[in-house]
Amino acid sequence: GQQVMQIPQYQHVQEGEDFTTYCNSSTTLSNIQWYKQRPGGHPVFLIQLVKSGEVKKQKRLTFQFGEAKKNSSLHITATQTTDVGTYFCAGPGSGGYQKVTFGTGTKLQVIP
Amino acid sequence: DAGVTQSPTHLIKTRGQHVTLRCSPISGHKSVSWYQQVLGQGPQFIFQYYEKEERGRGNFPDRFSARQFPNYSSELNVNALLLGDSALYLCASSPITVPPYNEQFFGPGTRLTVL
Repeated sequence: GQQVMQIPQYQHVQEGEDFTTYCNSSTTLSNIQWYKQRPGGHPVFLIQLVKSGEVKKQKRLTFQFGEAKKNSSLHITATQTTDVGTYFCAGPGSGGYQKVTFGTGTKLQVIP
Repeated sequence: DAGVTQSPTHLIKTRGQHVTLRCSPISGHKSVSWYQQVLGQGPQFIFQYYEKEERGRGNFPDRFSARQFPNYSSELNVNALLLGDSALYLCASSPITVPPYNEQFFGPGTRLTVL
């Protein structure tokens, strides 16, 4: 079945440093979504990418969808303690959007 | 507007028992999905319902079932509970018909512990 892997699994950074998480799917995705889950919380939608090579920015966050639509990345510039949490990518599984597959997640810890 | 609500927030059951979890989507959202999240892992898709019909099913045994009501609220039922069913059960609603079409709004979850 479809697999969505993320690296790294964990990342500790000093506040102010940059952070990047990479998402790789075993199959081509029609779209990819990114979610953030704070400790003890629930996933919160960040963004959706649809087009090959698409790049979107949200303040200090930059999201990219690969040309082959099998990989994606999330880059955070100048991390803040509010960025702490686990970042998940997610994409529709085989059979369409109805069966969403979440990635393995990257847990970010920001050291003040 | 209220977000997605789930009940109960916490639940403790013993092996072999049955459990029913409830979810109310955001007003106007007709799609509801259920996920199981084991500690330290990403959410695993269980079911998606849209307009009261099952539109997607994940790789879960038949002990798991769900339904969606005319008001678009939903129930997840799990029979013959196993220790491995202990997890956070998340419900997510989605508008589907407006962009970004697949944006999902998650509820706070129900923490199920099976002893």
